[in-house]
Amino acid sequence: DAGVTQSPTHLIKTRGQQVTLRCSPKSGHDTVSWYQQALGQGPQFIFQYYEEEERQRGNFPDRFSGHQFPNYSSELNVNALLLGDSALYLCASNAGTVYEGYTFGSGTRLTVV
Amino acid sequence: GESVGLHLPTLSVQEGDNSIINCAYSNSASDYFIWYKQESGKGPQFIIDIRSNMDKRQGQRVTVLLNKTVKHLSLQIAATQPGDSAVYFCAENGSSNTGKLIFGQGTTLQVKP
Repeated sequence: DAGVTQSPTHLIKTRGQQVTLRCSPKSGHDTVSWYQQALGQGPQFIFQYYEEEERQRGNFPDRFSGHQFPNYSSELNVNALLLGDSALYLCASNAGTVYEGYTFGSGTRLTVV
Repeated sequence: GESVGLHLPTLSVQEGDNSIINCAYSNSASDYFIWYKQESGKGPQFIIDIRSNMDKRQGQRVTVLLNKTVKHLSLQIAATQPGDSAVYFCAENGSSNTGKLIFGQGTTLQVKP
């Protein structure tokens, strides 16, 4: 049973560019959350998608946007990249109940130069 | 603001000993807590969770204790093995009922052979 899969694994972008990261949730899961993890820090919640809509958002600027598709997969888009956007971007999925341990993917390592 | 803090950034133990990793949380409205293990280059891996209506929960070689009076969470690992070496995060759901997780900065567990 495949868990959460993310692509690409690594990415290098230049300041000002735009990036799209992708996530396929674990089979049976319908809710996808995105987190940003800076080096040496815990993950920070970006936003969550359920039924193709953004259900909750963390303290991130509008440069960060997302989408969820009918098959529950999701994309994270970041516009006008800054050096400070360099981080590990994690996708987590769950089956909708808030009392279930969320399954994380291995992440996308984004480096902005 | 909301935060989950860890008492010790690094814990070094001898193989075979028991490990205890502590965590303080600040949001008294949190009613769900999770411990994650994160190895280098990987996403967080679910270890064990606990709801606020419990004060102890046991898994395989792991036990989570919750003290709501002092807002403290701990993870006990029995007979620590080299494969347990990783960064451990506690996470709470804060006042959210939609699945947003608030992570601490993490404790590095080093197991000496």
